[in-house]
Amino acid sequence: ETGVTQTPRHLVMGMTNKKSLKCEQHLGHNAMYWYKQSAKKPLELMFVYSLEERVENNSVPSRFSPECPNSSHLFLHLHTLQPEDSALYLCASSQAAGGLGLETQYFGPGTRLLVL
Amino acid sequence: AQSVTQLDSHVSVSEGTPVLLRCNYSSSYSPSLFWYVQHPNKGLQLLLKYTSAATLVKGINGFEAEFKKSETSFHLTKPSAHMSDAAEYFCVVSIGNTGKLIFGQGTTLQVKP
Repeated sequence: ETGVTQTPRHLVMGMTNKKSLKCEQHLGHNAMYWYKQSAKKPLELMFVYSLEERVENNSVPSRFSPECPNSSHLFLHLHTLQPEDSALYLCASSQAAGGLGLETQYFGPGTRLLVL
Repeated sequence: AQSVTQLDSHVSVSEGTPVLLRCNYSSSYSPSLFWYVQHPNKGLQLLLKYTSAATLVKGINGFEAEFKKSETSFHLTKPSAHMSDAAEYFCVVSIGNTGKLIFGQGTTLQVKP
């Protein structure tokens, strides 16, 4: 496997379910990101992890819970979601040097989530 | 505050004709700017990026973009469109050293035979 992979690629869940999205990067990067891509809206940054520490939580509801156990893996735990949470969830990684500004982010293919 | 505006939500060109996708930005800092492309059911792929070096940036697949500070623009061009260029294109600005990327709304490029 190369690049950034995400599983599952598609997920349908009810509002009372608990599920997790997984992201794995094979690029040796030290920063990882979760984004939400909704129809007709720009991509929204949800969470940023640098060196396995969360450095950004972009006012995301607590029903989304990220976890970064190591620099290669990132999870997004989901519980009691709402239908408006249906979207494409994208993971990205980058190699953060002195800061997090200039480094290119590499994206996975995304998980298409449908909440019923 | 940083922001990005993609001036066209949809652009349609004929194969072999030039492509122009327009992007204007607003930034308090000296910005880093990117263009990403997203093909259906795929993740975002970096086309090119500007990081205060040369103002004319060349990317993959024959695309290039020119940074014009006086016009706060970063338009994406390609001399000759190919059918495989049909996709969604995002103009993106990076905020300082925060790792935050601000995405434009996207432009859907349609290429007709």
